[in-house]
Amino acid sequence: AQSVTQLDSHVSVSEGTPVLLRCNYSSSYSPSLFWYVQHPNKGLQLLLKYTSAATLVKGINGFEAEFKKSETSFHLTKPSAHMSDAAEYFCVVRLGGSQGNLIFGKGTKLSVKP
Amino acid sequence: DGGITQSPKYLFRKEGQNVTLSCEQNLNHDAMYWYRQDPGQGLRLIYYSQIVNDFQKGDIAEGYSVSREKKESFPLTVTSAQKNPTAFYLCASNDRGFVADTQYFGPGTRLTVL
Repeated sequence: AQSVTQLDSHVSVSEGTPVLLRCNYSSSYSPSLFWYVQHPNKGLQLLLKYTSAATLVKGINGFEAEFKKSETSFHLTKPSAHMSDAAEYFCVVRLGGSQGNLIFGKGTKLSVKP
Repeated sequence: DGGITQSPKYLFRKEGQNVTLSCEQNLNHDAMYWYRQDPGQGLRLIYYSQIVNDFQKGDIAEGYSVSREKKESFPLTVTSAQKNPTAFYLCASNDRGFVADTQYFGPGTRLTVL
């Protein structure tokens, strides 16, 4: 069965320090993987996606993620956190085949301290 | 501006009442989706529609109903049969259904049952 696990429910960093949000997936198919960001009481915005092209994916706002098949991971990183990065982040896997539902992780809340 | 609008932003309902949440998109997308978001959980799919006049149940359809009479509109009715309706509801769309990689999200409606 396909699933996605976000290993941390809450991550706190200081402004200007690196960000690491961890995500592991389980998929029988070659997966499509996404990271979405949600600011409080807002909809979700796509940060980046992996769809079997380059394993290092660059997204918006300086975020990037690396697909590692051997580790079944798709961790999100940013070299230097900004206060505006404080939000909730969702790792998402898209099922393969004709169905193609999105499976959402439970989210990681990122706090950024001044 | 193209996008997805949801109304109202906040909605209060008495127990036993049905309530309808609006979702409109002007992106000319064929597919539309409804998700429910609860604290500490990822999004869960309620219903989806890949084309006008057709819709399918998602993972948690019980107590909900939808219609898709127009391409741009996909209203969700939360019925009195839904046992725990208080949640944040998100509508999304994309142009090729599940074969497309990205879903675009509206800003959400927060429903509270009193």
